[in-house]
Amino acid sequence: DSGVTQTPKHLITATGQRVTLRCSPRSGDLSVYWYQQSLDQGLQFLIQYYNGEERAKGNILERFSAQQFPDLHSELNLSSLELGDSALYFCASSKSPLNTEAFFGQGTRLTVV
Amino acid sequence: TQLLEQSPQFLSIQEGENLTVYCNSSSVFSSLQWYRQEPGEGPVLLVTVVTGGEVKKLKRLTFQFGDARKDSSLHITAAQPGDTGLYLCAGRQEETSGSRLTFGEGTQLTVNP
Repeated sequence: DSGVTQTPKHLITATGQRVTLRCSPRSGDLSVYWYQQSLDQGLQFLIQYYNGEERAKGNILERFSAQQFPDLHSELNLSSLELGDSALYFCASSKSPLNTEAFFGQGTRLTVV
Repeated sequence: TQLLEQSPQFLSIQEGENLTVYCNSSSVFSSLQWYRQEPGEGPVLLVTVVTGGEVKKLKRLTFQFGDARKDSSLHITAAQPGDTGLYLCAGRQEETSGSRLTFGEGTQLTVNP
């Protein structure tokens, strides 16, 4: 158990819908990262937050947004969902924004039908 | 653009054999990490290498970071069925105020009893 909690574990939704994925970092970690893992793209970095502020951004689609709240949990919002958005979404946390070690949650498997 | 290339993509060997997985890039990374991922789970950090030429050992696993900090290798001695999994290398790139991990596509290792 990495200490990073992601909910829900599985999510099935229809095209065009909007979903919210939630992540609680390890106790004491201030930085949260979101990654997308699909069969054809591997693990892709989406975005990083540190203590509520966006710190680094990857190839995150405009339909996707994220935030980190004062209690340090983070949410990833995916809207206007397409079939190609089906993937595993992972959250990871670390103590600092430049920390070399990040710990991953178990992921949310999103299926868009 | 895929910045980290792993080889081989798939590897199936018999218990007791040795193997090496390679991770190559044209980019320099501030550090490089190796993860192992089981089906339906998040990646689990195995090791972080920081210094060019660094070698780290974790029981039967030996990790090496290239002198130029662009490539790395993972060597497993006397592989066991419990070593089966997806091995991922990830290079850390620091940005102005944050960092990101760029992952290779992974090597799926199967160790047959």
